[in-house]
Amino acid sequence: NAGVTQTPKFQVLKTGQSMTLQCAQDMNHNSMYWYRQDPGMGLRLIYYSASEGTTDKGEVPNGYNVSRLNKREFSLRLESAAPSQTSVYFCASTWSQSVGQPQHFGDGTRLSIL
Amino acid sequence: SQELEQSPQSLIVQEGKNLTINCTSSKTLYGLYWYKQKYGEGLIFLMMLQKGGEEKSHEKITAKLDEKKQQSSLHITASQPSHAGIYLCGADTGGTSYGKLTFGQGTILTVHP
Repeated sequence: NAGVTQTPKFQVLKTGQSMTLQCAQDMNHNSMYWYRQDPGMGLRLIYYSASEGTTDKGEVPNGYNVSRLNKREFSLRLESAAPSQTSVYFCASTWSQSVGQPQHFGDGTRLSIL
Repeated sequence: SQELEQSPQSLIVQEGKNLTINCTSSKTLYGLYWYKQKYGEGLIFLMMLQKGGEEKSHEKITAKLDEKKQQSSLHITASQPSHAGIYLCGADTGGTSYGKLTFGQGTILTVHP
C-alpha cells in the first residue's frame, strides 16, 4: 500500500545547483500536485497536473519546472537552486480535480540550499 | 491578509480535555478538507465537508461547516496524546481556483499526559 512515494526524503544543495524531485503514485489518480511548506505559511501550490499531458502553474511557480512523465509520475525540477527554495516539498494526488475528492500526500522531501 | 485563517496557531491541552480549532475563509467554501500532520511526515486526510451546516464525526473528532460556508471547526473530545500533531484545513473556493486547495497556516496541538 505505497500510495504517494517521494524521493529523495532529504537533500542538501549548494546555490546554483540543479535537482529533480521525484513523485510516483500507485492509486491510478488523474491529478497530481506539488506544494511547498514553510513555517507559518501552510502549504502553497507550486504546480499541478489535472490529467496526464497537462501542467499548470500554481501560486508560487517561479524557479521551478515540472514534468508529468506518465499517469503515475510527476517530477519537480529546480534548475538553479536558491536559498529561498529551502523548504519541505510535498507531492499529492487525487482521482480527479473536482470538489469532493481529497488529495493524498507523500511524506515530503526536505530540501536545504546553502 | 490570508485567504484562509486558522486559529489558534498553537494549543496545549491536558489529556482528557476538549478542544476546538477554527478555519475561516474570506470566500465561500465549495469544499473544506481537514488534514493531520505529524512532524516529519506527510498529511493524513481526516474529513471533507461540502454542504452548509454539514457535520461529520470520526472517533473523537467532529468537523462542522457553517451555514454560510465560510467557517469550519474541528472539535476533539477527550483529547489523547495520539491526537498531538499539526492540523491543517484546506479549502476549494471554486471559480478559477476550482479543484485546487488553499491551506491555512496550521494549528500545532500538544496534548500532555
